[in-house]
Amino acid sequence: AQKVTQAQTEISVVEKEDVTLDCVYETRDTTYYLFWYKQPPSGELVFLIRRNSFDEQNEISGRYSWNFQKSTSSFNFTITASQVVDSAVYFCALSEGVSGSARQLTFGSGTQLTVLP
Amino acid sequence: DAGITQSPRHKVTETGTPVTLRCHQTENHRYMYWYRQDPGHGLRLIHYSYGVKDTDKGEVSDGYSVSRSKTEDFLLTLESATSSQTSVYFCAISSGDSAYEQYFGPGTRLTVT
Repeated sequence: AQKVTQAQTEISVVEKEDVTLDCVYETRDTTYYLFWYKQPPSGELVFLIRRNSFDEQNEISGRYSWNFQKSTSSFNFTITASQVVDSAVYFCALSEGVSGSARQLTFGSGTQLTVLP
Repeated sequence: DAGITQSPRHKVTETGTPVTLRCHQTENHRYMYWYRQDPGHGLRLIHYSYGVKDTDKGEVSDGYSVSRSKTEDFLLTLESATSSQTSVYFCAISSGDSAYEQYFGPGTRLTVT
């Protein structure tokens, strides 16, 4: 069975600080996909990134970066120079399965990030 | 933005009454999903569909049924609502073959009194 753990329930930082959100996953499949979603106070879920199990390259998108390490089953998310608008709940998720099949996402319990001005 | 709408957006109902939530997409995606979101649990899959009339159970399917008679609509029914079904319900869609991420609707807040 697949499992995603986000041990940090709440994080509070001051604006312009860097912050890393941790995600640890468990799966028996060799092919799987990892995701991060953002849920701002307005409540919608916003897709941020997808990573497949064969691509361990780190990715950077503006102030966001992701560190995928299969050796530690982790897919951590770093926000550089945080801003108040980054305040949200962030979810890490995992899906298994082959191409063309329904991909069931297993979510972590989320990390509430608060960025203080 | 993915073309996903959910109705109603908010609903208050009494224990024992039937409730149907609707998810409508304009993307013609094959896969549709229903999740519930509860504090401390993230999102959990209730049911999903991989085509018209093709559905399957998720992690927390007890007390829920679904139907998909058209590609664009996926209905979630609570046959007899209970207080434990008070939650925020999200619908999601995915094209499946080339884009594996799921895109979510705005959510429905359901309160069962």
